[in-house]
Amino acid sequence: SSELTQDPAVSVALGQAVTITCQGDSLLSRHASWSQQKPGQAPLLVIYRRDNRPPGIPDRFAGSSSGNTASLTITGAQVDDEAVYFCHSRDSSATHILFGGGTKLTVL
Amino acid sequence: QVHLVESGGGVVQPGRPLRISCAASGFSLGTYGMHWVRQPPGKGLEWVAMTSFDGNQERYADSVKGRFTISRDNSKNTLYLQVKSLSSEDTAVYYCARENLLFGSGVLDSWGPGTLVIVSS
Repeated sequence: SSELTQDPAVSVALGQAVTITCQGDSLLSRHASWSQQKPGQAPLLVIYRRDNRPPGIPDRFAGSSSGNTASLTITGAQVDDEAVYFCHSRDSSATHILFGGGTKLTVL
Repeated sequence: QVHLVESGGGVVQPGRPLRISCAASGFSLGTYGMHWVRQPPGKGLEWVAMTSFDGNQERYADSVKGRFTISRDNSKNTLYLQVKSLSSEDTAVYYCARENLLFGSGVLDSWGPGTLVIVSS
């Protein structure tokens, strides 16, 4: 399969933890990355190569994976974390990039 | 500081060509693979095309193959996307993005703000 599947929407209470998942066959052989996109803005990389944070990304963002599923966990969610989160990875042949459909996170 | 800025979008009639550009600053374009990614209004991200750091390799999504051409002028630190003939399905915000191999193959670590292309008669 050449798709990455995400739940369309997730909500979390302020200060609580939330996990967003991404499923796809490519994740059996490729690491996932995660980007955050707020309305009207360009995506921002928050996790790369499964569980690494770029400089400047708070440590409340964490990545993990198991089998064909990658996960992004935000611990102590803040109002500023409200955004759409996309997973992405190389496809199995390493020639294309796949994006998940995005998960809209609402912080209540 | 890495900075990417797209330009060249607008309202274009179906069947017309278009070239959009991405000006890079704060780094040398010639040392990075670069990508175009698009986002139709209200929808998710779709990878469009990539070019290797030296321009010797190009890859395209099946949806644009044969109609889109990615190119780069490293001396001008500028990336391009040429479209031969636009269709309504090409209406989207087009982003350029940098691939950072230090982070891993296919990891897009910097994005421009995007340029909106609307295909309409």
